Amino acid sequence: GENVEQHPSTLSVQEGDSAVIKCTYSDSASNYFPWYKQELGKGPQLIIDIRSNVGEKKDQRIAVTLNKTAKHFSLHITETQPEDSAVYFCAASAGYSTLTFGKGTMLLVSP
Amino acid sequence: EAGVVQSPRYKIIEKKQPVAFWCNPISGHNTLYWYLQNLGQGPELLIRYENEEAVDDSQLPKDRFSAERLKGVDSTLKIQPAELGDSAVYLCASSLTSGGRVDTQYFGPGTRLTVL
Repeated sequence: GENVEQHPSTLSVQEGDSAVIKCTYSDSASNYFPWYKQELGKGPQLIIDIRSNVGEKKDQRIAVTLNKTAKHFSLHITETQPEDSAVYFCAASAGYSTLTFGKGTMLLVSP
Repeated sequence: EAGVVQSPRYKIIEKKQPVAFWCNPISGHNTLYWYLQNLGQGPELLIRYENEEAVDDSQLPKDRFSAERLKGVDSTLKIQPAELGDSAVYLCASSLTSGGRVDTQYFGPGTRLTVL
């Protein structure tokens, strides 16, 4: 089955800095890669996703890049703000609707 | 538009007791998922329904866990009997799936289960 590795497990940045979270996956058939943000006591919320026919996608301060040859994808957050502090999960889907999640990255943005 | 609704939000029980969780998906979503999330981990799929049919229950511990999705809308996940290791957050998610394309999964707030 699919295996998703996520790094780092924790990331501390100063407000205004950029943050990068990286994930690798094992199944070359994976074709859908969402990123979720989870705040304390809440369920994961989709923030951006990318499909295998696209190499990069941006949404305001958030961007995701995908390298299918190397089987890795990354989340980039620019101009970080304290409200960006949360746990971020990457996921990959190698088949019909089944998502395999990474273990998460706790992002702490200090004012 | 209302999101995925789950109840209860918190549940504390003693081991060997039964427990049930309820989920109401987003209106019109045909696919419903139950996930288990242990502390410090990502969600892990327990079961996936397409309408009323459980199409992927390979990770559901069937000796103690059961689930149903009556009429293809609401769903209930049950544990009987609960064990200490079942303490976790149980997440429900839903999506509109068609034509084999993976679509966005929307998560509910989860039910935090504590087994004493």
